[in-house]
Amino acid sequence: DIVMTQTPLSLPVTPGEPASISCRSSQSLLNSDEGYTYVDWYLQKPGQSPQLLIYTLSYRASGVPGRFSGSGSDTDFTLRISRVEAEDVGVYYCMQRMEFPITFGGGTKVEIK
Amino acid sequence: EVQLVESGGAVVQPGGSLRLSCAGSGFNFDEYAMHWVRQGPGKGLEWVSGINWNSGRIGYADSVKGRFTISRDNAKGSLYLHMNRLRTEDTAFYYCVSALENGSGIYHLDTWGQGTLVTVSS
Repeated sequence: DIVMTQTPLSLPVTPGEPASISCRSSQSLLNSDEGYTYVDWYLQKPGQSPQLLIYTLSYRASGVPGRFSGSGSDTDFTLRISRVEAEDVGVYYCMQRMEFPITFGGGTKVEIK
Repeated sequence: EVQLVESGGAVVQPGGSLRLSCAGSGFNFDEYAMHWVRQGPGKGLEWVSGINWNSGRIGYADSVKGRFTISRDNAKGSLYLHMNRLRTEDTAFYYCVSALENGSGIYHLDTWGQGTLVTVSS
């Protein structure tokens, strides 16, 4: 199975400041034939179901603010928030869908300092 | 409005069985792959199982393989998870999730239900 390793576990942030979360996969998530990297990012706000933020490495989901961006290589990925807002608190997860079984990172809890 | 509503969660004894259901509405159900993702108390997300639009591709997490069975009824717009030989470690919220299909791959999980709680305890 593909292992997804996220860092850090916890991330205290200051509103208005940038923030980034890293994720590493144990195998390449790049589909060479199609040129797409099959990693997504999800946010679970307190008391809510998870929601899709970024799909296929760098595509923002519908309704997701422009301050969120995704980037990376075939095994190393980054979620960036250009200027954190109070509503961004919650747990962020990376997920690979290169193959079954789908696997998630352990999560990064973002909280306001 | 796209909506997924899970049901069937309950308290069950170890070794018991349970069937979860998910009713989809507001979208063309047969254009979507469907998944179950669970979250144990205070834990992260764990993908449980997924099924493509015509049930031709099915996958399971190693932790549930041989015990859980996913199925769907496109005519009813419904997804199911048959859970057998339940263990205490299966205790979790179970989310029903949709993924719009556009080819033969595995697609991002775009809409999540509110979840249904399964508690396995004696």
